[in-house]
Amino acid sequence: GAVVSQHPSWVICKSGTSVKIECRSLDFQATTMFWYRQFPKQSLMLMATSNEGSKATYEQGVEKDKFLINHASLTLSTLTVTSAHPEDSSFYICSAKGLANEQFFGPGTRLTVL
Amino acid sequence: QQQVKQSPQSLIVQKGGIPIINCAYENTAFDYFPWYQQFPGKGPALLIAIRPDVSEKKEGRFTISFNKSAKQFSLHIMDSQPGDSATYFCAASMAGNTPLVFGKGTRLSVIA
Repeated sequence: GAVVSQHPSWVICKSGTSVKIECRSLDFQATTMFWYRQFPKQSLMLMATSNEGSKATYEQGVEKDKFLINHASLTLSTLTVTSAHPEDSSFYICSAKGLANEQFFGPGTRLTVL
Repeated sequence: QQQVKQSPQSLIVQKGGIPIINCAYENTAFDYFPWYQQFPGKGPALLIAIRPDVSEKKEGRFTISFNKSAKQFSLHIMDSQPGDSATYFCAASMAGNTPLVFGKGTRLSVIA
């Protein structure tokens, strides 16, 4: 199957700092990537849809100025959590859409904000 | 209208048993129905997927049964093993650049 990587796999930061998470499709091109957030023992919550070369589409309730998404190439999307606070601590997962409509997920990034 | 309802929330089976997880959907525009397996601290891994033009798909020990008229689909795991203990999510999506709609997940425990 197709491989999606995320970096970093975990990050600890101080409150007020910004954190960038990278999502890469390693062996295929993805015009569309998605960013999810997952709390313990819960399902995945879609945050935004990232389309290459255009602005991301955010789900209702997700602050676009806080969660900046950039999809500058067909293999890379980034999520920047700006001015992070403890309530932003979560497991962030990206996915990339393949040609046959399948979605392949990255391994996730555990963010802890102190 | 976008919901996918998944049951049960948790499931315990003995090794060798056949756990069955069920999902139901409302939106008839959905045309892609995948199942994902997720271990703690890892991203979901695509297990098997089906489209509405077939009623069953089998890959190894995993089988999807699909009932278009009832708008339901289910995952069966044959000869389950302790290593299958994980959280399983069903999902659905429409054609195009639309996101997956996930069920709430089923925590499966396979005991030896």
